[in-house]
Amino acid sequence: QVQLVDSGGGVVQPGRSLRLSCAASGFTFSNYDMQWVRQAPGKGPEWVATIWYDGSQKYYADSVKGRFTISRDNSKKILYLQMNSLRGEDTAVYYCARTRNFFDYWGQGTLVTVSS
Amino acid sequence: EIVMTQSPATLSVSPGERATLSCRASQSVGINLAWYQQKPGQAPRLLVYGASTRATDIPARFSGSGSGTEFTLTISSLQSVDFAVYYCQQYNDWSYTFGGGTKVDIK
Repeated sequence: QVQLVDSGGGVVQPGRSLRLSCAASGFTFSNYDMQWVRQAPGKGPEWVATIWYDGSQKYYADSVKGRFTISRDNSKKILYLQMNSLRGEDTAVYYCARTRNFFDYWGQGTLVTVSS
Repeated sequence: EIVMTQSPATLSVSPGERATLSCRASQSVGINLAWYQQKPGQAPRLLVYGASTRATDIPARFSGSGSGTEFTLTISSLQSVDFAVYYCQQYNDWSYTFGGGTKVDIK
């Protein structure tokens, strides 16, 4: 069955960096575009970044452009999100999601807290 | 950016009753609209895509309709497991915007 396992979250000071990972199994990872979506406490989900199935195209929300980088390793079936220059407003649960335009499978999420 | 507006913010319904949730887009998204259910501490779960196609293993009591800018999710007879927050999402452009959610709680 399709499984996505998010990891790498934690408490980090403003201005520091963190890298999130999403391990995929149960499907042909290299055939699917993938997303990162975040959800701040008490808020709705917010799209963060998209990467095409082959890594050739990447798209970012304006709120993270220039600070976050999405990447993938299709040989290891892992999706990454490198987050630099973190801010308080980046505090959220971060989910990876498989994409068929809509998001059909989601990871369990990993909490990122940006606080001094 | 396409803005998605959901109403009402909270819907109080008795088990067995029908629930109707609305979602409006600031510009046409065709039928590129999905609905998700989220329970506390869990990831969102896909219910409907293409405005009206139920996702795998989603019960028939969930139905979606609409196109363009106006969409509806109907739960025909609410069961206890259906009390949750529901989000609509457009995927007509790369912003993939979500609505603010409708919380369905027990009346």
